[in-house]
Amino acid sequence: QSALTQPASVSGSPGQSITISCTGTSSDIGVYNYVSWYQHHPGKAPKLMIYDVSNRPSGVSNRFSGSKSGNTASLTISGLQAEDEADYYCGSYTTTSTQVFGTGTKVTVL
Amino acid sequence: QLQLQQSGPGLVKPSQTLSLTCAISGDSVSSNSAAWNWIRQSPSRGLEWLGKTYYRSNWFSDYAVSVKSRITINPDTSRNQVSLQLNSVTPEDTAVYYCARDTRWSPGRFDPWGQGTLVTVSS
Repeated sequence: QSALTQPASVSGSPGQSITISCTGTSSDIGVYNYVSWYQHHPGKAPKLMIYDVSNRPSGVSNRFSGSKSGNTASLTISGLQAEDEADYYCGSYTTTSTQVFGTGTKVTVL
Repeated sequence: QLQLQQSGPGLVKPSQTLSLTCAISGDSVSSNSAAWNWIRQSPSRGLEWLGKTYYRSNWFSDYAVSVKSRITINPDTSRNQVSLQLNSVTPEDTAVYYCARDTRWSPGRFDPWGQGTLVTVSS
């Protein structure tokens, strides 16, 4: 199972919106609505930001939103803030009952 | 409140076995809806899912193809914990290892996570 494909880096100014793409296949993103997104700050455990494509866990800001079209999922961060600077990973359930993560995207707030 | 507490050595010699445990509080390892996962993170490989174990009237395990020949994830019902064993380790297995729960209703929704254990493979 190959890793899902994400851009290596995305940047934006405070207050702007950015979108991170996550491209998979018809064996993962394309067939299930089990796409999740994680925020990872170095030295801390990853934090769940989005699950089941577009659902936010309790306590996660509504500035974070998720969507999916075909084999590609997206995470949008609106009203970018300095605290959003982190690595972001997508993940998807697969047809072999396993899980695959994306390659990771470093978000920089300019 | 569900909490996962990891323990295990931070240094393992090449060719030996990496062993970690994840103690569960606030849920049961034998839950019919939960799955108990091991995930690792390294600068070179990013996040990598390793495998999971779960109970659905019987015990099952699923593993990533990349480690399938070397990994075992076992439940310990008497201690309500899950263990990870990774055999024949090399320096490429150096990473921060995490345990995490997801559910049958929302696979891949990993929450919560353990605190993480940095494991270095070195002689």
